[in-house]
Amino acid sequence: DGGITQSPKYLFRKEGQNVTLSCEQNLNHDAMYWYRQDPGQGLRLIYYSQIVNDFQKGDIAEGYSVSREKKESFPLTVTSAQKNPTAFYLCASMGGGPPETQYFGPGTRLLVL
Amino acid sequence: AQTVTQSQPEMSVQEAETVTLSCTYDTSESDYYLFWYKQPPSRQMILVIRQEAYKQQNATENRFSVNFQKAAKSFSLKISDSQLGDAAMYFCAYRLRNSGNTPLVFGKGTRLSVIA
Repeated sequence: DGGITQSPKYLFRKEGQNVTLSCEQNLNHDAMYWYRQDPGQGLRLIYYSQIVNDFQKGDIAEGYSVSREKKESFPLTVTSAQKNPTAFYLCASMGGGPPETQYFGPGTRLLVL
Repeated sequence: AQTVTQSQPEMSVQEAETVTLSCTYDTSESDYYLFWYKQPPSRQMILVIRQEAYKQQNATENRFSVNFQKAAKSFSLKISDSQLGDAAMYFCAYRLRNSGNTPLVFGKGTRLSVIA
């Protein structure tokens, strides 16, 4: 089946620890995106990548890092510099042509111990 | 910068009734897409409906339809014959057409409750 997978479903982080959230897609989409969702704040863009080996900061990139070494994969690292990482993280992808629509993975819930 | 506003944080509807969710947006562009996404309790984001700004005809998908008013920059979602499974967060989103793969701009969402 074509789609977007995110793992793990739940992730626990200790103080001062870096953690990495996985996002993989087999839709052959060029672009991939990471969003953070907090209660009452909708979706906020962290980073996005329009092609392999290139990415741009979104509105709330501080404390996060990404890489795009393969078209299928766009992992997000939450670093120790992110002081309030507890949130729901959504990954999305979009193809280069019509219908120019973002499709989403099932999300990862990150909790701080 | 483009912005999307959903002025109703919460709405409720009786089962089998009709409800309309509001969305306004601000842009100086003329060619763009508008979207409604649904996020049920599972938190999976699901595309409900998409509207191309160059099309005058309002998009429909089964019980879901939109009222697109380009001059007023308004894009409301109408859900007919509401079902318990329609209970979810609904997000309105905007994207400039033919802009490469630039991200969508989302509103803050409307939480819809369906009363049996």
